[in-house]
Amino acid sequence: GAVVSQHPSRVICKSGTSVKIECRSLDFQATTMFWYRQFPKQSLMLMATSNEGSKATYEQGVEKDKFLINHASLTLSTLTVTSAHPEDSSFYICSARDLGQGGTEAFFGQGTRLTVV
Amino acid sequence: AQKITQTQPGMFVQEKEAVTLDCTYDTSDPSYGLFWYKQPSSGEMIFLIYQGSYDQQNATEGRYSLNFQKARKSANLVISASQLGDSAMYFCAMREGRASGTYKYIFGTGTRLKVLA
Repeated sequence: GAVVSQHPSRVICKSGTSVKIECRSLDFQATTMFWYRQFPKQSLMLMATSNEGSKATYEQGVEKDKFLINHASLTLSTLTVTSAHPEDSSFYICSARDLGQGGTEAFFGQGTRLTVV
Repeated sequence: AQKITQTQPGMFVQEKEAVTLDCTYDTSDPSYGLFWYKQPSSGEMIFLIYQGSYDQQNATEGRYSLNFQKARKSANLVISASQLGDSAMYFCAMREGRASGTYKYIFGTGTRLKVLA
């Protein structure tokens, strides 16, 4: 299957700082990428849908100024958690659709475990 | 209303036995896709199997098969000949929004499967 690489896999940051998470589709083009947040032992909650070259579409309740999403190319989307606080600690995971496969399935990155101290 | 319902928070199965993980869904979109993903403790989401709403036959991928009952809106995952490595969290997901082009993926709450030796 297609490969989606997410970096970093783990990050610890100080409260008040910003953290950038990258999501890359390595062997396919992805016009659409999705960002999810997963709390321990819970399901994936869609945060936003990122479309290449346009503004991201955020789900209800997700602060767009807090979670900045940029999708500047067909292979890269970034999520920046601005002014992080301990309550932002979570597992963040991205996924991308492979246009070459007709967009049938979404492939996931390895996830990023963010800890804000 | 829940779009994807997984009623089994946890399941046990004896090694080499078959197990069925339940999933029901709710959508008014005539075109949708149903997916199962496996999430081991490391966190990555591993795609297992896909069923399209217009597919006439149940999907199969190796030891995985999807029991698709459209009228009942159920998409149960059957794992045959369970292995110890199958112990993980399993998520049922639905992709809808094809008509509008939004392509949202919605996840159930997951079922934690434990395979016993």
